Amino acid sequence: KAGVTQTPRYLIKTRGQQVTLSCSPISGHRSVSWYQQTPGQGLQFLFEYFSETQRNKGNFPGRFSGRQFSNSRSEMNVSTLELGDSALYLCASSEGRLRFGNEQFFGPGTRLTVL
Amino acid sequence: GQQLNQSPQSMFIQEGEDVSMNCTSSSIFNTWLWYKQEPGEGPVLLIALYKAGELTSNGRLTAQFGITRKDSFLNISASIPSDVGIYFCAGQFNAGNMLTFGGGTRLMVKP
Repeated sequence: KAGVTQTPRYLIKTRGQQVTLSCSPISGHRSVSWYQQTPGQGLQFLFEYFSETQRNKGNFPGRFSGRQFSNSRSEMNVSTLELGDSALYLCASSEGRLRFGNEQFFGPGTRLTVL
Repeated sequence: GQQLNQSPQSMFIQEGEDVSMNCTSSSIFNTWLWYKQEPGEGPVLLIALYKAGELTSNGRLTAQFGITRKDSFLNISASIPSDVGIYFCAGQFNAGNMLTFGGGTRLMVKP
């Protein structure tokens, strides 16, 4: 079974630009969650999508948005990039049922650098 | 918001030594999870704990869910060089997939 795939792996953008990151979950998984990882703030939850609907949302500004397609692939978008948006963006997929013990499998991440 | 305090931030130990790290929270969690992250990779789940007081092992790893539901610890026995990485605790409050992570413990093992 293929793991979680994230593209691109590395990205360099300049302030004010926007960026779109992609995540392909494990086959059969319907939930995709996004996390931001920075040295200062650690791993922080951005949002979760299940069956094309946002099911949970973290405490990030509206510049961060996402969507999920019918094949469960997900994209996240960051508009008007700021220097502080430089981070490793991780995607995690899971079966999606609302229960404890829903193991999330993480992808390798997209390293975004904002200059 | 909820925050997890993880300690120590880093450890540099000799191969064969035992390791202990812990997480505390100001809020309760209903699930505690321990992950390991290696360079260039996403976190990988090591152990999941679902009940207060639960003690669970996975090979040389042992973790416990504190009875107050506000803390958890992870022990690694007889460390080996491949244990090197960053270990994260994570708490889950509701049945959704939102996890709150600790700041991580960077483990370095000297052969």
